Amino acid sequence: DTAVSQTPKYLVTQMGNDKSIKCEQNLGHDTMYWYKQDSKKFLKIMFSYNNKELIINETVPNRFSPKSPDKAHLNLHINSLELGDSAVYFCASSQEAQGTGGYTFGSGTRLTVV
Amino acid sequence: GESVGLHLPTLSVQEGDNSIINCAYSNSASDYFIWYKQESGKGPQFIIDIRSNMDKRQGQRVTVLLNKTVKHLSLQIAATQPGDSAVYFCAENIYTGKLIFGQGTTLQVKP
Repeated sequence: DTAVSQTPKYLVTQMGNDKSIKCEQNLGHDTMYWYKQDSKKFLKIMFSYNNKELIINETVPNRFSPKSPDKAHLNLHINSLELGDSAVYFCASSQEAQGTGGYTFGSGTRLTVV
Repeated sequence: GESVGLHLPTLSVQEGDNSIINCAYSNSASDYFIWYKQESGKGPQFIIDIRSNMDKRQGQRVTVLLNKTVKHLSLQIAATQPGDSAVYFCAENIYTGKLIFGQGTTLQVKP
């Protein structure tokens, strides 16, 4: 059983398109996150949700919109894709909003904008 | 600003030797620290954590040391194995639950 699953694993799309990445966790965790990993492997938080409520919203272009239909799902929609959006996007979850106990990460979605 | 840094981008060790990966953090208010391992094509995997009221914590073949005076964190891996080859990240968790990651150190294990 995959604890945190993301789809798709790979996404290649043209500039200007709109795309979504889906994430689901079956751990019963209350908090979910989106992280972006750039080409230099640097991981930076984008958003976090606790029980469907947005609690962290980093300085991310408003072309990025997270949506949490329930506490087991956190999707990421990206409008008007740009070349600079190319990266690996990781979904993660944790039992508590404080993140203690560690995060469980998905295997990532590699987004390539051409 | 927020930053967590690692001293070396790449560490190469012989199989069987001990590895030490270092990390410096900048936020003295951070109260919880985590080490993650990321293998190629996978997401970061939790290794070990430590709270700020501790200075050492041991797991299976891994030890994390925390020096709050100089804001330094290290991960020691005993008897390094080829399967330990990966990128290692330290991360600090401030009270908002925001995990701030360092740049990562690539550990290469030579047979």
